[in-house]
Amino acid sequence: AQSVTQLGSHVSVSEGALVLLRCNYSSSVPPYLFWYVQYPNQGLQLLLKYTTGATLVKGINGFEAEFKKSETSFHLTKPSAHMSDAAEYFCAVSLNRDDKIIFGKGTRLHILP
Amino acid sequence: DTAVSQTPKYLVTQMGNDKSIKCEQNLGHDTMYWYKQDSKKFLKIMFSYNNKELIINETVPNRFSPKSPDKAHLNLHINSLELGDSAVYFCASSQVSGAPRNIQYFGAGTRLSVL
Repeated sequence: AQSVTQLGSHVSVSEGALVLLRCNYSSSVPPYLFWYVQYPNQGLQLLLKYTTGATLVKGINGFEAEFKKSETSFHLTKPSAHMSDAAEYFCAVSLNRDDKIIFGKGTRLHILP
Repeated sequence: DTAVSQTPKYLVTQMGNDKSIKCEQNLGHDTMYWYKQDSKKFLKIMFSYNNKELIINETVPNRFSPKSPDKAHLNLHINSLELGDSAVYFCASSQVSGAPRNIQYFGAGTRLSVL
């Protein structure tokens, strides 16, 4: 069965600094991978996804993630953090386009002024 | 116009009561879901319906019963509420025909507090 591990339930970065949120997955077949963001008191919003093809995927709000099969990782990055990036971020995996999504436990991103 | 809307946004009730949460999507999607997010933010799928037909039914107490009157609506009825049912419940939808079902659009959530 597939699973997702997010390292660090809380991450703090200074405004303008690099954001790095870590995600590792386990899957018996090449996975579909996602990052979702949840702003306070809101539902989840898709940031970006990897299905096939280019391993570096770009998403909304300047975020990107790289699929590394050898490391079974899909870390999320943003070159320069903004105060509005403070939110909960969820990594997720799916076996195929029609399969259910398994979410990680989330990482709360704090932005320090 | 809200794509996936849930009502109510907040629900406070006593143990033992029966309550319902409603969900509607105006995206023309075929598939709808219910998720439970616990106090530690862990998000777990409960049910999924495709064109009014149940396709995912995770290990959930049978006090929880989803109802899909049409493909735009998926309501969640909970009988005999327990303290452990307190959580945020999210509705989601996905898949215009031919598109991946695993790209999902979420509602804003219903915060259920059982006293």
